[in-house]
Amino acid sequence: QKEVEQNSGPLSVPEGAIASLNCTYSDRGSQSFFWYRQYSGKSPELIMSIYSNGDKEDGRFTAQLNKASQYVSLLIRDSQPSDSATYLCASAGVGGGFKTIFGAGTRLFVKA
Amino acid sequence: DAGVTQSPTHLIKTRGQQVTLRCSPKSGHDTVSWYQQALGQGPQFIFQYYEEEERQRGNFPDRFSGHQFPNYSSELNVNALLLGDSALYLCASSSNRLRDAFFGQGTRLTVV
Repeated sequence: QKEVEQNSGPLSVPEGAIASLNCTYSDRGSQSFFWYRQYSGKSPELIMSIYSNGDKEDGRFTAQLNKASQYVSLLIRDSQPSDSATYLCASAGVGGGFKTIFGAGTRLFVKA
Repeated sequence: DAGVTQSPTHLIKTRGQQVTLRCSPKSGHDTVSWYQQALGQGPQFIFQYYEEEERQRGNFPDRFSGHQFPNYSSELNVNALLLGDSALYLCASSSNRLRDAFFGQGTRLTVV
């Protein structure tokens, strides 16, 4: 069973701090990795995709991938109350084929 | 540019009935995936359609079936509904060339 594991949280950070979200995956052959944000009662929204080892930055968001450790992370700088949501990590490729496998998500609360 | 659209947004059905959910992909996308999301869980892959064929299927019974039309839109059909089928059903579209997938707003199905 190919899995993506996330700490369910909640992770609570003060406004303006850096929020660090982590994820591990079991399929060493996974090729594509994604972070989605999901507000309560809404559908997931793609924040970042990352395909190769290292860091990828987009605005306040930085995704980090370490394939040797099978580890993906998302850093949110200058966290805002509007960032409060559930963050879903997902992987795709090789053993999973065409399907995208999601973790259960980490709930993030940003305190004003 | 219209994103992924799903219909209906909410639906209430009785056990044993059948339901059809619809999805129109984002412009330029040719691949449609369907997911089931229970409360507090990540989306679970049902199946993916590409070139009007089911390309890959997750661990869902045959009661779940689908179709993709020449214009890339898709339907999800669920027969003999069970109470446990109550969930948020999500459609995601992507380009076969790239893995980034974008979700519609979802259909909230309640089986009573």
